Amino acid sequence: DAGVIQSPRHEVTEMGQEVTLRCKPISGHDYLFWYRQTMMRGLELLIYFNNNVPIDDSGMPEDRFSAKMPNASFSTLKIQPSEPRDSAVYFCASSPDPSADGTQYFGPGTRLLVL
Amino acid sequence: DAKTTQPPSMDCAEGRAANLPCNHSTISGNEYVYWYRQIHSQGPQYIIHGLKNNETNEMASLIITEDRKSSTLILPHATLRDTAVYYCIVRVANYGGATNKLIFGTGTLLAVQP
Repeated sequence: DAGVIQSPRHEVTEMGQEVTLRCKPISGHDYLFWYRQTMMRGLELLIYFNNNVPIDDSGMPEDRFSAKMPNASFSTLKIQPSEPRDSAVYFCASSPDPSADGTQYFGPGTRLLVL
Repeated sequence: DAKTTQPPSMDCAEGRAANLPCNHSTISGNEYVYWYRQIHSQGPQYIIHGLKNNETNEMASLIITEDRKSSTLILPHATLRDTAVYYCIVRVANYGGATNKLIFGTGTLLAVQP
């Protein structure tokens, strides 16, 4: 299994530009999570999906952030317009049915720098 | 979910056992203890979890005190590749809803010394 796949691995953009981060979860996993990690705030959960439906988006910082999961094998996190304070590492994770063990499997992350 | 407390950093000699403590004094009866680690520039990696009994897998052992207010993650023979931030997380073991969240704290930076 290839694990959770994220693209791009690195993104440098200018303030005001739209940024789209992509994630392919592990096949068969029903849950998908988006996290953000910064030095100041650590690792924060932004949003998670169950069977492609957003369940909890209380961690999404503001309306500039949006996430979609059009099918079981693909999700996007979009920032529009981007700001320098959005610079962070964004991780995607997936999980099988939590009645099993609830383990989350993380991707390698996307390092975003907004100038 | 209950709050956890971990030391900010620890050192361990290569080849020796690394014992990482975690306090979770407000843990409830249906809350599991999870351990993840994050090696520099990588995503977090699941290590082990438990409810009441001690657990062991190919990576580590988890010792949970009888009152469940604290636990210790044991890496039996630490190597340089075990240098990472280790997170102790308490999670309610229900199905669906907000209990699928993992709330990461600041963790313990374990430095394995040659």
